[in-house]
This record gives sequence, structure tokens and C-alpha cells, in this order.
Amino acid sequence: GAGVSQTPSNKVTEKGKYVELRCDPISGHTALYWYRQSLGQGPEFLIYFQGTGAADDSGLPNDRFFAVRPEGSVSTLKIQRTERGDSAVYLCASSEGLLYNEQFFGPGTRLTVL
Amino acid sequence: AQSVTQLDSQVPVFEEAPVELRCNYSSSVSVYLFWYVQYPNQGLQLLLKYLSGSTLVKGINGFEAEFNKSQTSFHLRKPSVHISDTAEYFCAVRSNTGKLIFGQGTTLQVKP
Repeated sequence: GAGVSQTPSNKVTEKGKYVELRCDPISGHTALYWYRQSLGQGPEFLIYFQGTGAADDSGLPNDRFFAVRPEGSVSTLKIQRTERGDSAVYLCASSEGLLYNEQFFGPGTRLTVL
Repeated sequence: AQSVTQLDSQVPVFEEAPVELRCNYSSSVSVYLFWYVQYPNQGLQLLLKYLSGSTLVKGINGFEAEFNKSQTSFHLRKPSVHISDTAEYFCAVRSNTGKLIFGQGTTLQVKP
């Protein structure tokens, strides 16, 4: 079956612009996670959805970052007033919702802020 | 707070040689540990996981890891590597809220 998909695969934007990154989880997966991976680093947690609600948003770095999952499936990560330090690969993962279930990762969106 | 330390940033090894990638964790709660692999330009793929039970965990592609509670380690091993094992490897611990906390990663470079 289809895995986790993310669009776009690459996004180049200018400092100060607004961007949206999309994640389509595996069908039926109730849990959805966003991570950020900077060059040479391991992924860092941003936010976790269980269904439509954000169960844990403790990893969002500041109020320029926001994520939604209005129907409990597709999620959008929104970044306002982008800064060069936001450049990274943004990863999305989904799981069947139970804590010990495997998280399946998408290929990521590479965001470059010029 | 939970954390993961991968002790080697790069591990060069010749093809068909054994390899060990080291991982130490810090956790005050029940420990769920994972190893993921990231091939160039691809997403993260689960190699293996430890949730409970036997401390020796076998994963895909011939990899295995041993959970050692006294040493707070979860080292990854393979007895004979292939060129195709060249990739970035990440150790992770799952928090009690479900998020994964990753180490910095280890680049495995398999040479012919």
C-alpha cells in the first residue's frame, strides 16, 4: 500500500515569506508526527497529532510555526516569516496510534530559505 | 529528560567485516528503543526495536541490537556488512508521549 507522502519534495523561499508543507499519512493511521532534520543532525520532534488534535506541540520552536490536521488525516505544517535558520528537511511520520507502534516516515520536504 | 548519544559520527569498515554502531540512552521512564536507517535521498526506515522481553533484538537486513540496562546501551551490530549497508543510522528512544528522541546519527561507510 501507499506510504507516507509529503509535498513538495523541495521548497525554496525567501526570508520573510510564508510556507506550507503537506503530509499525507498512511490511510487509517490516527497518529501523525512532524520532525525537523537539520544538516548533519538527527531528526528533532516538532508536534504530534492524535486524530485532529495536537497531543504534544512542545517541539515547535516559536509561534511562527503552526500545524493543523482538520479532518484527522492530512496535516499541514505552516511557517510564517521564514528565517534562514528554518532551512532543514521536514519529516512527517504516522502510526496506528498506540505508543509502541512503529512510526512510518515520509521522504521529507527539503526547505531552503534564501 | 530523555536523551540519546551516538558515540561515533562516522564508522568506516571494509565489506564483509563486522560492525558495531554504539548508542547510549538516558531515560527515567520505561524504555522503548529503536534503530532507524536512512539511505541517501530516502526516508527513515525502521531496522529494529526493543519494547520488552529478550534483550537481543533481531531486525531486517541481518542487523541485531542488544539492550543493556546496566550500561544504558543499545548497540547495533552486523557480522558481515555489504556495500549496500552504506547509510546513516539513527538510534532513538520513545518518550511516554510517543515522540521519538533521536541521536545525532552515525554514518556507516562500507568500502570494497
